[in-house]
Amino acid sequence: KQEVTQIPAALSVPEGENLVLNCSFTDSAIYNLQWFRQDPGKGLTSLLLIQSSQREQTSGRLNASLDKSSGRSTLYIAASQPGDSATYLCAVRPSNDYKLSFGAGTTVTVRA
Amino acid sequence: NAGVTQTPKFQVLKTGQSMTLQCAQDMNHEYMSWYRQDPGMGLRLIHYSVGAGITDQGEVPNGYNVSRSTTEDFPLRLLSAAPSQTSVYFCASSAGTSGARELFFGEGSRLTVL
Repeated sequence: KQEVTQIPAALSVPEGENLVLNCSFTDSAIYNLQWFRQDPGKGLTSLLLIQSSQREQTSGRLNASLDKSSGRSTLYIAASQPGDSATYLCAVRPSNDYKLSFGAGTTVTVRA
Repeated sequence: NAGVTQTPKFQVLKTGQSMTLQCAQDMNHEYMSWYRQDPGMGLRLIHYSVGAGITDQGEVPNGYNVSRSTTEDFPLRLLSAAPSQTSVYFCASSAGTSGARELFFGEGSRLTVL
């Protein structure tokens, strides 16, 4: 069974600092990995989707890397802003199943 | 631009009552799914569907039923509510039939079972 872990559970940084969020998974046989953002009381919004054949994906200030062999993905957010405060979740889709496995998320607070 | 719409947003039930959470999407997505989110546990898949007339169980299907009579709608039925079903429920959809594309989520339905 795929286990997805996100450490730390919470993170607080001053505005302008770069954010580094970690996601680890136990089974490297994945199809893709997605990073999501969740604001309090809201649904999830997809940020980046990395296919298993890719090493990284970028969108604006966001960059996600994927190291399938070591079971790790990292989400980098450059020059953080208070508006980046949210919970960030990663989800892994196995290569042989439709069922995504989610991490519990990292809650980020960016202090002005 | 509606995307994925869930109703109701909030619901309180008594143990043993039944109810249906509605989910509708207007993006012509084949793949639809239901998750529950509990503190510290991430999201867990309840049921999913890869097209009209096709449904399958996820990780935590017990106590829930689904049907998919149209591409747009994917209702989740609680047969006999239990306090353990107190949670936030999310419906999500994606293009294609494999769930391997970008997932779009609804705003959630917050259910309390007394």
